[in-house]
Amino acid sequence: AQKITQTQPGMFVQEKEAVTLDCTYDTSDPSYGLFWYKQPSSGEMIFLIYQGSYDQQNATEGRYSLNFQKARKSANLVISASQLGDSAMYFCAMRGDTDKLIFGTGTRLQVFP
Amino acid sequence: EPEVTQTPSHQVTQMGQEVILRCVPISNHLYFYWYRQILGQKVEFLVSFYNNEISEKSEIFDDQFSVERPDGSNFTLKIRSTKLEDSAMYFCASSEAAGVTYGYTFGSGTRLTVV
Repeated sequence: AQKITQTQPGMFVQEKEAVTLDCTYDTSDPSYGLFWYKQPSSGEMIFLIYQGSYDQQNATEGRYSLNFQKARKSANLVISASQLGDSAMYFCAMRGDTDKLIFGTGTRLQVFP
Repeated sequence: EPEVTQTPSHQVTQMGQEVILRCVPISNHLYFYWYRQILGQKVEFLVSFYNNEISEKSEIFDDQFSVERPDGSNFTLKIRSTKLEDSAMYFCASSEAAGVTYGYTFGSGTRLTVV
């Protein structure tokens, strides 16, 4: 069975600092995709970044990067130069051989001035 | 940028009433999904739909739930007789294809409140 674990229910970071949100996963599928979504207080789910299990390089999208350590089964999201608008809930998710996206429980990030 | 549209954004209904949540997926997407998120909790898979039939459903998706693609653009979730515990945010999503490299595009959600 597939499982995503996010162990940080809440994180605080000062504006302009970097922050790492942890995600570990468990799957027996040979190939899988890992995704991060942002959910602001308005409720929508915004796609941030994707990492494929066979990708050699860590994914980057602007201020977001994914620290992918396959042997450890971790896919941590790094946000550089945090902004007040980054305050939101962040979800790690995985798609494997089954079609559905499995989500972690999320991490609430608060950025303070 | 193409988006998934959900209506209504908020719905309040009385327990026992039927509700229909509507979604317009991205036009060239072939796979459609419904997820729900009870307030403050994780996002849970309900059902996936492809080629006009359900491809997978979760334990949550019991006989009270149904999905339909009545025309070429809409994708609906019906709850026949709502219960208090159905109160949640319901997300529709679509994907261009199956496969691990394809992510979902989510709609903005419908917040359903059952009173």
